[in-house]
Amino acid sequence: QSVLTQSPSASGTPGQRVTMSCSGSSSNIGRNTVNWYQQLPGTAPRLVIYANDGRPSGVPDRFSGSKSGTSASLAISGLQSDDEADYYCAAWDDSLSGQVVFGGGTKLTVL
Amino acid sequence: QVQLVQSGAEVKKPGASVKISCKASGYTFTGYSMSWVRQAPGQGLEWMGVIDPSDGRTNYAQKFQGRVTMTRDTSTSTVYMELSSLKSEDTAVFYCARVFLTTGSEFDFWGQGTLVTVSS
Repeated sequence: QSVLTQSPSASGTPGQRVTMSCSGSSSNIGRNTVNWYQQLPGTAPRLVIYANDGRPSGVPDRFSGSKSGTSASLAISGLQSDDEADYYCAAWDDSLSGQVVFGGGTKLTVL
Repeated sequence: QVQLVQSGAEVKKPGASVKISCKASGYTFTGYSMSWVRQAPGQGLEWMGVIDPSDGRTNYAQKFQGRVTMTRDTSTSTVYMELSSLKSEDTAVFYCARVFLTTGSEFDFWGQGTLVTVSS
């Protein structure tokens, strides 16, 4: 059972905009920034959003992030087939002497 | 370019220990902390802990405290993760990941992963 809560699945058609959410608490998202990772099958995760809404070099501007209170969202616009992947949110949690916590992941299907 | 290259797959018996290496290149090794993340088959990501290569200080996830040891060798720019008292539930892919911001959960580069299979 993950500390951060994500919907297990999401879907969209090519060109659509999809959003996925990540819910936490005051000890993690409520006081720390959120990061999002994309994991294609059989590969290592890739950072796509950092510090709530930052985009690493090389990540298309179709990816955007936001945070409000104890929740965060990842949006992907202009959906493409190669966006099909698992997406994980992560944040630092100040409880238990501090640790990184992840969401359980959202599997994005491009129909 | 930044690269993290991990050691190869391992097969261990229950109760044994495993030690995985992660060799960094393309940046100042002591300038960034390194975390380890576990992923069981078909499951999500799980943070195990972090090591600061500049001084060797560590912070382990409570779940793994007492079983995990992270070390570094600055002469070879390599970090190590040793997990002891292995159980079948420890079968997973283990990743090293560079921490690029001080808040601790931003991992900008990842190793390729090391599969550890625990089986009698």
